[in-house]
Amino acid sequence: EDQVTQSPEALRLQEGESSSLNCSYTVSGLRGLFWYRQDPGKGPEFLFTLYSAGEEKEKERLKATLTKKESFLHITAPKPEDSATYLCAVQGPTSGTYKYIFGTGTRLKVLA
Amino acid sequence: GAGVSQSPSNKVTEKGKDVELRCDPISGHTALYWYRQSLGQGLEFLIYFQGNSAPDKSGLPSDRFSAERTGGSVSTLTIQRTQQEDSAVYLCASSLASNNEQFFGPGTRLTVL
Repeated sequence: EDQVTQSPEALRLQEGESSSLNCSYTVSGLRGLFWYRQDPGKGPEFLFTLYSAGEEKEKERLKATLTKKESFLHITAPKPEDSATYLCAVQGPTSGTYKYIFGTGTRLKVLA
Repeated sequence: GAGVSQSPSNKVTEKGKDVELRCDPISGHTALYWYRQSLGQGLEFLIYFQGNSAPDKSGLPSDRFSAERTGGSVSTLTIQRTQQEDSAVYLCASSLASNNEQFFGPGTRLTVL
Protein backbone atom coordinates (compact mmCIF):
# COMPACT_ATOMS: atom_id res chain seq x y z
CA GLU A 1 0.00 0.00 0.00
CA ASP A 2 1.29 3.46 -0.92
CA GLN A 3 2.17 5.52 2.15
CA VAL A 4 3.61 8.89 3.12
CA THR A 5 4.97 9.60 6.59
CA GLN A 6 6.13 13.04 7.69
CA SER A 7 8.30 13.84 10.67
CA PRO A 8 8.42 15.51 13.03
CA GLU A 9 4.71 16.22 13.60
CA ALA A 10 5.59 19.60 15.06
CA LEU A 11 8.75 21.68 15.18
CA ARG A 12 9.59 24.88 17.02
CA LEU A 13 12.60 26.85 15.86
CA GLN A 14 14.18 30.11 16.85
CA GLU A 15 14.48 32.66 14.07
CA GLY A 16 17.66 31.85 12.15
CA GLU A 17 17.86 28.27 13.41
CA SER A 18 18.08 26.03 10.33
CA SER A 19 16.47 22.59 10.27
CA SER A 20 15.00 19.91 8.01
CA LEU A 21 11.60 18.29 7.64
CA ASN A 22 11.35 14.69 6.51
CA CYS A 23 8.93 12.94 4.17
CA SER A 24 9.32 9.16 3.87
CA TYR A 25 7.33 7.39 1.19
CA THR A 26 6.55 4.03 -0.28
CA VAL A 27 4.89 4.10 -3.67
CA SER A 28 5.08 1.82 -6.65
CA GLY A 29 6.38 3.85 -9.55
CA LEU A 30 6.83 7.38 -8.22
CA ARG A 31 5.54 9.95 -10.68
CA GLY A 32 6.33 12.95 -8.55
CA LEU A 33 6.78 14.20 -5.01
CA PHE A 34 5.19 17.50 -4.08
CA TRP A 35 5.70 19.91 -1.21
CA TYR A 36 2.99 22.32 -0.12
CA ARG A 37 2.68 24.97 2.55
CA GLN A 38 -0.63 25.41 4.36
CA ASP A 39 -1.49 28.40 6.51
CA PRO A 40 -4.36 28.17 9.03
CA GLY A 41 -7.76 28.47 7.37
CA LYS A 42 -6.35 28.30 3.85
CA GLY A 43 -5.82 25.71 1.18
CA PRO A 44 -2.35 24.28 0.57
CA GLU A 45 0.00 26.39 -1.54
CA PHE A 46 2.32 24.64 -3.98
CA LEU A 47 6.07 24.88 -3.29
CA PHE A 48 8.04 22.23 -5.23
CA THR A 49 7.80 19.17 -7.43
CA LEU A 50 10.59 16.57 -7.51
CA TYR A 51 10.57 13.76 -10.03
CA SER A 52 13.73 11.69 -9.60
CA ALA A 53 16.26 10.74 -6.96
CA GLY A 54 19.05 13.27 -6.68
CA GLU A 55 16.89 16.17 -7.79
CA GLU A 56 16.96 19.39 -5.76
CA LYS A 57 14.85 22.54 -5.93
CA GLU A 58 15.28 25.84 -4.10
CA LYS A 59 13.08 28.80 -3.35
CA GLU A 60 14.22 31.56 -1.03
CA ARG A 61 15.02 29.90 2.33
CA LEU A 62 13.63 26.51 1.28
CA LYS A 63 15.41 23.66 -0.44
CA ALA A 64 13.81 20.31 -1.28
CA THR A 65 15.78 17.14 -1.99
CA LEU A 66 14.73 13.65 -3.05
CA THR A 67 16.09 10.14 -2.62
CA LYS A 68 14.49 6.83 -3.54
CA LYS A 69 12.83 6.57 -0.13
CA GLU A 70 12.46 10.07 1.27
CA SER A 71 12.49 13.77 0.70
CA PHE A 72 13.78 16.55 2.88
CA LEU A 73 12.66 20.13 3.07
CA HIS A 74 15.57 22.15 4.39
CA ILE A 75 14.79 25.53 5.92
CA THR A 76 17.78 27.86 6.17
CA ALA A 77 17.70 30.76 8.63
CA PRO A 78 13.91 30.65 9.00
CA LYS A 79 11.82 33.70 9.76
CA PRO A 80 8.54 33.90 11.70
CA GLU A 81 6.63 34.17 8.41
CA ASP A 82 7.80 30.66 7.54
CA SER A 83 5.52 29.35 10.28
CA ALA A 84 2.96 27.04 8.65
CA THR A 85 2.13 23.39 8.14
CA TYR A 86 4.24 21.79 5.44
CA LEU A 87 2.63 18.94 3.52
CA CYS A 88 4.28 16.31 1.39
CA ALA A 89 2.42 14.34 -1.29
CA VAL A 90 3.43 11.60 -3.70
CA GLN A 91 1.86 10.58 -6.93
CA GLY A 92 1.99 7.15 -8.44
CA PRO A 93 -0.15 5.19 -10.83
CA THR A 94 -2.71 3.45 -8.67
CA SER A 95 -5.50 1.52 -10.26
CA GLY A 96 -4.70 3.23 -13.52
CA THR A 97 -5.32 6.76 -12.28
CA TYR A 98 -3.13 9.49 -10.93
CA LYS A 99 -3.84 9.82 -7.24
CA TYR A 100 -1.95 12.01 -4.82
CA ILE A 101 -1.26 10.59 -1.36
CA PHE A 102 -0.67 13.22 1.31
CA GLY A 103 1.16 12.99 4.58
CA THR A 104 -0.29 14.52 7.75
CA GLY A 105 2.18 17.38 7.66
CA THR A 106 4.75 19.05 9.89
CA ARG A 107 3.55 22.06 11.88
CA LEU A 108 6.42 24.55 11.95
CA LYS A 109 6.55 27.44 14.38
CA VAL A 110 9.39 29.95 14.06
CA LEU A 111 9.85 32.18 17.07
CA ALA A 112 11.17 35.73 16.77
CA GLY B 1 -5.34 35.82 -12.29
CA ALA B 2 -8.22 33.98 -10.69
CA GLY B 3 -7.36 30.97 -8.62
CA VAL B 4 -9.58 28.10 -7.52
CA SER B 5 -12.67 29.34 -5.74
CA GLN B 6 -15.02 27.43 -3.47
CA SER B 7 -18.38 28.25 -2.00
CA PRO B 8 -19.65 28.53 0.58
CA SER B 9 -16.63 29.18 2.78
CA ASN B 10 -18.54 27.91 5.79
CA LYS B 11 -21.61 25.71 6.05
CA VAL B 12 -23.44 24.71 9.20
CA THR B 13 -26.17 22.15 8.78
CA GLU B 14 -28.27 19.80 10.83
CA LYS B 15 -27.77 16.07 10.85
CA GLY B 16 -29.78 14.42 8.11
CA LYS B 17 -29.85 17.42 5.75
CA ASP B 18 -28.27 17.44 2.29
CA VAL B 19 -25.50 19.90 1.38
CA GLU B 20 -23.91 21.02 -1.88
CA LEU B 21 -20.37 22.35 -2.08
CA ARG B 22 -19.17 24.16 -5.19
CA CYS B 23 -15.75 24.42 -6.81
CA ASP B 24 -14.69 26.70 -9.66
CA PRO B 25 -11.32 25.51 -10.97
CA ILE B 26 -8.72 27.55 -12.79
CA SER B 27 -9.75 28.07 -16.40
CA GLY B 28 -8.13 25.53 -18.70
CA HIS B 29 -7.28 23.03 -15.97
CA THR B 30 -8.46 19.61 -17.03
CA ALA B 31 -7.92 17.78 -13.74
CA LEU B 32 -10.03 18.45 -10.66
CA TYR B 33 -9.76 16.82 -7.24
CA TRP B 34 -11.87 16.87 -4.10
CA TYR B 35 -10.28 16.19 -0.71
CA ARG B 36 -11.47 16.11 2.87
CA GLN B 37 -9.28 17.39 5.69
CA SER B 38 -10.20 16.59 9.26
CA LEU B 39 -8.43 18.06 12.28
CA GLY B 40 -5.03 16.47 12.65
CA GLN B 41 -5.48 14.30 9.58
CA GLY B 42 -3.89 14.40 6.18
CA LEU B 43 -5.81 15.26 3.07
CA GLU B 44 -8.16 12.39 2.26
CA PHE B 45 -8.72 11.87 -1.46
CA LEU B 46 -12.40 11.77 -2.40
CA ILE B 47 -12.84 11.99 -6.16
CA TYR B 48 -10.91 12.93 -9.30
CA PHE B 49 -12.10 14.25 -12.65
CA GLN B 50 -9.90 14.30 -15.76
CA GLY B 51 -11.33 15.95 -18.82
CA ASN B 52 -14.28 14.03 -20.19
CA SER B 53 -13.17 10.69 -18.75
CA ALA B 54 -15.21 8.83 -16.17
CA PRO B 55 -14.33 10.14 -12.70
CA ASP B 56 -12.32 8.13 -10.19
CA LYS B 57 -14.78 7.84 -7.30
CA SER B 58 -12.74 5.34 -5.31
CA GLY B 59 -12.18 7.73 -2.40
CA LEU B 60 -15.81 8.53 -1.67
CA PRO B 61 -16.47 7.22 1.86
CA SER B 62 -20.08 6.18 1.31
CA ASP B 63 -22.91 6.32 -1.21
CA ARG B 64 -24.15 9.47 0.51
CA PHE B 65 -21.33 11.30 -1.27
CA SER B 66 -21.49 12.17 -4.95
CA ALA B 67 -19.92 14.71 -7.26
CA GLU B 68 -20.32 15.97 -10.75
CA ARG B 69 -18.42 18.24 -13.05
CA THR B 70 -20.41 20.11 -15.64
CA GLY B 71 -18.89 21.11 -18.96
CA GLY B 72 -15.44 20.16 -17.77
CA SER B 73 -15.37 23.15 -15.44
CA VAL B 74 -17.45 23.75 -12.29
CA SER B 75 -17.81 20.85 -9.89
CA THR B 76 -20.32 20.19 -7.15
CA LEU B 77 -19.82 17.79 -4.25
CA THR B 78 -23.10 16.65 -2.71
CA ILE B 79 -23.44 15.01 0.67
CA GLN B 80 -26.84 13.51 1.38
CA ARG B 81 -28.25 12.83 4.85
CA THR B 82 -25.24 14.43 6.54
CA GLN B 83 -23.76 12.87 9.65
CA GLN B 84 -21.66 14.47 12.37
CA GLU B 85 -18.60 12.58 11.16
CA ASP B 86 -18.91 14.44 7.85
CA SER B 87 -17.75 17.61 9.62
CA ALA B 88 -14.44 18.64 8.05
CA VAL B 89 -12.87 21.06 5.60
CA TYR B 90 -13.57 20.08 2.01
CA LEU B 91 -10.85 21.19 -0.38
CA CYS B 92 -10.96 21.34 -4.14
CA ALA B 93 -7.86 21.46 -6.32
CA SER B 94 -7.25 21.72 -10.04
CA SER B 95 -4.22 21.10 -12.21
CA LEU B 96 -3.32 21.61 -15.82
CA ALA B 97 -2.93 17.88 -16.30
CA SER B 98 -3.12 14.87 -14.05
CA ASN B 99 0.59 14.84 -13.25
CA ASN B 100 1.14 18.51 -12.53
CA GLU B 101 1.11 20.47 -9.33
CA GLN B 102 -2.31 21.13 -7.88
CA PHE B 103 -3.72 24.53 -7.05
CA PHE B 104 -6.06 24.48 -4.10
CA GLY B 105 -9.08 26.53 -3.24
CA PRO B 106 -9.59 27.99 0.25
CA GLY B 107 -11.91 25.13 1.24
CA THR B 108 -15.40 24.84 2.66
CA ARG B 109 -15.66 24.23 6.38
CA LEU B 110 -18.65 21.95 6.97
CA THR B 111 -20.10 21.60 10.44
CA VAL B 112 -22.86 19.06 11.01
CA LEU B 113 -24.75 19.62 14.26
